[in-house]
Amino acid sequence: GQNIDQPTEMTATEGAIVQINCTYQTSGFNGLFWYQQHAGEAPTFLSYNVLDGLEEKGRFSSFLSRSKGYSYLLLKELQMKDSASYLCAVAYSGAGSYQLTFGKGTKLSVIP
Amino acid sequence: DTEVTQTPKHLVMGMTNKKSLKCEQHMGHRAMYWYKQKAKKPPELMFVYSYEKLSINESVPSRFSPECPNSSLLNLHLHALQPEDSALYLCASSSSMGLAGGSEQYFGPGTRLTVT
Repeated sequence: GQNIDQPTEMTATEGAIVQINCTYQTSGFNGLFWYQQHAGEAPTFLSYNVLDGLEEKGRFSSFLSRSKGYSYLLLKELQMKDSASYLCAVAYSGAGSYQLTFGKGTKLSVIP
Repeated sequence: DTEVTQTPKHLVMGMTNKKSLKCEQHMGHRAMYWYKQKAKKPPELMFVYSYEKLSINESVPSRFSPECPNSSLLNLHLHALQPEDSALYLCASSSSMGLAGGSEQYFGPGTRLTVT
């Protein structure tokens, strides 16, 4: 089976930097996604890592270490609108099938 | 156009009703997905269609019946649902299934289903 862990909740201050960690255990690893989901809305794609290292996209960066089964999402210059749930999702393939399993999500609250 | 549309936005149905959820995308994506999301829980994969063929059925009860009439449309037919089936049903699409770099999924806004 697949096991994905991320913190349930985090709080950070507007303008600060926050790092949301995700650890996973899986076979047939085929990439790791980060999605943002505001309450009552659909998830929106933030980033994708399949090789080790850092991917930067504006205020958001995502890091992956496949050997450690570890990823983080880094949010810089936090804004109030960044208050949302952040979902780590692991893609894996095997036996001709492909799956994407989501972690439980980290609810981030940005405070003034 | 990076939009996935879903209708209806809200649906209330009784346990003996038959209804359908619809999903549409015009991004040329060849993989489409149905997810179920309960409150404060992550999305759970239900079905995957790849090139209009059902690829994955995650042991979903037969009261949920997916259909992919063409590459742009995905339906979910509902019959004899239970109150515990009340949830947000999300449709998503990706350019391909499982290939690096091209498999990010774009989600529709979802249909909030209430079974009474």
